[in-house]
Amino acid sequence: DIQMTQSPASLSASVGDRVTITCRPGQNIYTYLNWYQQKPRKAPKLLIFAASNLQSGVPSRFSGSGSGTDFTLTISSLQPEDFATYYCQQSYSFPETFGQGTKVEIK
Amino acid sequence: QVQLVEAGGSLVKPGGSLRLSCAASGFTFSDHYMSWIRQAPGKGLEWISYISSKDNTLYYADSVQGRFTISRDNAKNSLYLEMNSLRAEDTAVYYCARGQYSGSYYDYWGQGTLVTVSS
Repeated sequence: DIQMTQSPASLSASVGDRVTITCRPGQNIYTYLNWYQQKPRKAPKLLIFAASNLQSGVPSRFSGSGSGTDFTLTISSLQPEDFATYYCQQSYSFPETFGQGTKVEIK
Repeated sequence: QVQLVEAGGSLVKPGGSLRLSCAASGFTFSDHYMSWIRQAPGKGLEWISYISSKDNTLYYADSVQGRFTISRDNAKNSLYLEMNSLRAEDTAVYYCARGQYSGSYYDYWGQGTLVTVSS
């Protein structure tokens, strides 16, 4: 199984801050990496697919980068509605695996 | 619009069985692979099972292999998860999710259905 190591586990940030979340798979997954946002008691929402492609309807302040074993999700200017938990997911091989999540909280 | 609606979650005793369903609408169901993904209370996301769009290719997580069975009925636009020999650690919200072959990602998720395994 491909282990997904996400960091940090949590962070506190202010509105307007630039936020970066890292995801490191245990082996090369090329660009088979997706990012999801989840708010409390809601289903996850797709933000970024195939490492760097912005899902339709997602604000452009979200961006993804990376390939192989090093990926990043960046929120360029944090907005109040962005406080949530973020998960990376590899779709390179089964079983598909998720990172443990990064909780973004208000500072 | 795309909709995925899960049903069937409930309280069940350890060792019991349950069948979840996911009703899909607003898209051509047979064009997409589907998966079940669960989330234990206060925990992260865990992928548990996949079914291809038409040829019934199946995959399972080790944690449910041999106990859970995924299936679909493209004529009824429905996805199912048969769960047997349930354990306390199967307690979770179960989501169905629509997969996209071009890109390998889940672009729509249902609202989830809660399965509680407890005596």
